[in-house]
Amino acid sequence: DGGITQSPKYLFRKEGQNVTLSCEQNLNHDAMYWYRQDPGQGLRLIYYSQIVNDFQKGDIAEGYSVSREKKESFPLTVTSAQKNPTAFYLCASSKHPGVGVQETQYFGPGTRLLVL
Amino acid sequence: KQEVTQIPAALSVPEGENLVLNCSFTDSAIYNLQWFRQDPGKGLTSLLLIQSSQREQTSGRLNASLDKSSGRSTLYIAASQPGDSATYLCAAITGNQFYFGTGTSLTVIP
Repeated sequence: DGGITQSPKYLFRKEGQNVTLSCEQNLNHDAMYWYRQDPGQGLRLIYYSQIVNDFQKGDIAEGYSVSREKKESFPLTVTSAQKNPTAFYLCASSKHPGVGVQETQYFGPGTRLLVL
Repeated sequence: KQEVTQIPAALSVPEGENLVLNCSFTDSAIYNLQWFRQDPGKGLTSLLLIQSSQREQTSGRLNASLDKSSGRSTLYIAASQPGDSATYLCAAITGNQFYFGTGTSLTVIP
C-alpha cells in the first residue's frame, strides 16, 4: 500500500533538547511539506521541499530545521530554539512541485509533540 | 496574505439532517479550493477539490461549491450519519501554498 508514514506517534521533549520527527512516503511524490496544528488554529506551514536537496521556509520556520537527502524522506528537527513546540505535526506530499490544476496533498497520520 | 475562515467552529445535528459548512477566503486569486476531513488525532483525508474554473464538485452525499468572486465555498452534506462526525477543513490553494481554515467540528447525533 502506498502512503505516508510518520513516527513516532507521540514524542516527548525535554528542555533544551533537539528532537527529530520522521516522515517517509512511498508514493514517488516530488514535493513534501511539514505543517504544525494547534488547537483553534488552522494548519501552518513550517517547511516544504519541491525536490531532493532543496527546501524552503514556510510561515513559521523559526526554531525548526529540515533535510531532504532522499526523495522518500523529509525529517523535521525541532530545535531548542523553538520555545513553544507542543503541537500536532503533520507531514504531507504531492506529486509535482508547486501547485497544478489537479494537485492535491496527501497527509500522514501525524506526530504529537509534548514538552516534559 | 491569504486568510481562510470557517463558520461555524462547531456544529451538532441529529442524524439524517442536511447541513452546510462555510468557508471564506480573502484573496480570490486561488488555483483550487479543497475540502478535507480530519478524525481526532489523525491526519487529513481529501474529500473534494474544486478547480478555480469550476463552480462545484460532487462525491456521494457531499457537494462542494465555489464562488471565487465572493471568496466563498460551501460543503453540503446530505442525510448526515454518525460516521460523518469529524472536523472538516477547507484549504485555499494560492501560489505555491495551501492556506487552511481553522475547521468546523461536526457531531452527528444518532
